[in-house]
Amino acid sequence: KQEVTQIPAALSVPEGENLVLNCSFTDSAIYNLQWFRQDPGKGLTSLLLIQSSQREQTSGRLNASLDKSSGRSTLYIAASQPGDSATYLCAVNTDKLIFGTGTRLQVFP
Amino acid sequence: KAGVTQTPRYLIKTRGQQVTLSCSPISGHRSVSWYQQTPGQGLQFLFEYFSETQRNKGNFPGRFSGRQFSNSRSEMNVSTLELGDSALYLCASRGQGGHYEQYFGPGTRLTVT
Repeated sequence: KQEVTQIPAALSVPEGENLVLNCSFTDSAIYNLQWFRQDPGKGLTSLLLIQSSQREQTSGRLNASLDKSSGRSTLYIAASQPGDSATYLCAVNTDKLIFGTGTRLQVFP
Repeated sequence: KAGVTQTPRYLIKTRGQQVTLSCSPISGHRSVSWYQQTPGQGLQFLFEYFSETQRNKGNFPGRFSGRQFSNSRSEMNVSTLELGDSALYLCASRGQGGHYEQYFGPGTRLTVT
């Protein structure tokens, strides 16, 4: 059974820091992995999608990597800003999305 | 291109009632999936519809059902509501194929009293 874990559960950092959020999964048989952002009480915003054959994807200050063999993905946020404060979720796509429990990020000025 | 839309955004129901939620996917997307989000269980998959057929189903009781129309719009129904059904219900749409990116709507916040 596929299980997805995210570490840390919460993170509070000053503005300008570079961050790494971690996601691990137990079964490497995935189509792809998606990183999402969720603001309180809102829906999910897709940040990055990495196909199973890819190692890395970049969008602006965000960079996500995927190591399928070890069951790990990381989301790197460069030069964090207060507007980055949100919960970050990773999800592996098998025949459905299986989500981790998220990392709650707070960036303070 | 318009995103995924969900109606209503908020609902308050009483235990024992039933409720219907609606989701309109991104134009051209034929797959619609539903997810339940609660503080205790996180995000859990309910079901997926593709071309009016249920393609996959999560581990939820039969009180949870859905359907999809020929225009790809989808509805989700929950009968005999329980307090534990209080949650944020999210729908997602994607293009054809398992490797396509999923896009989520804003969700429907259901409160059961």
